Amino acid sequence: AQSVTQPDIHITVSEGASLELRCNYSYGATPYLFWYVQSPGQGLQLLLKYFSGDTLVQGIKGFEAEFKRSQSSFNLRKPSVHWSDAAEYFCAVVSLSNTGKLIFGQGTTLQVKP
Amino acid sequence: GAVVSQHPSWVICKSGTSVKIECRSLDFQATTMFWYRQFPKQSLMLMATSNEGSKATYEQGVEKDKFLINHASLTLSTLTVTSAHPEDSSFYICSARSLQGTTEAFFGQGTRLTVV
Repeated sequence: AQSVTQPDIHITVSEGASLELRCNYSYGATPYLFWYVQSPGQGLQLLLKYFSGDTLVQGIKGFEAEFKRSQSSFNLRKPSVHWSDAAEYFCAVVSLSNTGKLIFGQGTTLQVKP
Repeated sequence: GAVVSQHPSWVICKSGTSVKIECRSLDFQATTMFWYRQFPKQSLMLMATSNEGSKATYEQGVEKDKFLINHASLTLSTLTVTSAHPEDSSFYICSARSLQGTTEAFFGQGTRLTVV
């Protein structure tokens, strides 16, 4: 069965520190992977996506993610976190049926300390 | 970029009444729209997938008679919560997939429904 796991429910980092949010997937084929960010009471904004090609993907707001097939991972990184990055982050994979249906991880809450 | 507008952003209604939530793709045509529900501090759970001009496909455990979905045009899908009860209070989010057939879907800003 397809699934996405975000092992860290809550992460706190200091402003200016580096960030890595983990995402592991279970999938029967080459996955289409996404990272979304959600501010409180808001919808989801796409940070970046991986369909194929270069396994290091650059996104908006200085985020990047690396697809590692051997580890079934798609971890999100940012070299220097800003206070405005505090939000909920979701990793997602497209359903094998390819209807555009997304399977989401549980989400990781990022808190940024001043 | 592709914009999906959801309306209203928040609504409060009395138990037993019905509430309609609209999801519009503003600058692209959406063959498929998705409706998600999100409980506090939890992830998004897909409720149903709607395709323009056909019946919606509901996920297991979602009552189709309670959550009516209509996708009458390539730019509009509506979710109607019928006979709402306090347990229906939640954050509802729609997303839309473009006609061009990419796997990317774009999300609305969500609707906070509170049933009192």
